[in-house]
Amino acid sequence: EAQVTQNPRYLITVTGKKLTVTCSQNMNHEYMSWYRQDPGLGLRQIYYSMNVEVTDKGDVPEGYKVSRKEKRNFPLILESPSPNQTSLYFCASSLGFPGNTIYFGEGSWLTVV
Amino acid sequence: AQSVTQLGSHVSVSEGALVLLRCNYSSSVPPYLFWYVQYPNQGLQLLLKYTSAATLVKGINGFEAEFKKSETSFHLTKPSAHMSDAAEYFCAVRFPNTGFQKLVFGTGTRLLVSP
Repeated sequence: EAQVTQNPRYLITVTGKKLTVTCSQNMNHEYMSWYRQDPGLGLRQIYYSMNVEVTDKGDVPEGYKVSRKEKRNFPLILESPSPNQTSLYFCASSLGFPGNTIYFGEGSWLTVV
Repeated sequence: AQSVTQLGSHVSVSEGALVLLRCNYSSSVPPYLFWYVQYPNQGLQLLLKYTSAATLVKGINGFEAEFKKSETSFHLTKPSAHMSDAAEYFCAVRFPNTGFQKLVFGTGTRLLVSP
């Protein structure tokens, strides 16, 4: 089954404790991306990647890091989480052509206390 | 700067009534346009997309949208609302001035359907 898998789905952590949210897709997609969803703000893009070793900042990259060492994986790293990073996070992927459907994971609820 | 505007954070309709959710974008060059639906506690599901083919696009669950270049709009409609349509709807755009690499979302419209 074609899917985008995120882990963990739910996490409560403390300020400053590094964490990684993993994202994996099994569709051989070139394009992968991370979004955060906050009430009233919709989804905002954090980082995206056009292919292995090619990443770029989205609209809200501060406080986040990403890497794309393999085509299927695109982890999101919070080096020193802060409460303002409490949010619902989505990973997404698609084939390279921009008109292609973008598939989303089920989301990761992150709370930083 | 590129932007996507969804008018109305909440839209209420009665079951059987017309659904109209509005989306406008800022670009003089036609972008790629998408509508996604999010049911409570779930991820996003694609309803339909415009990729420079027919301007009237039909999607799943009876939804359709019309691309109007002159109005820079891509409004979502459904002739007759069903209770199961209650969800949050997002318009999303890939703009040409970013090489279509960035996907920009509107702030979403929550559709409420009453019996």
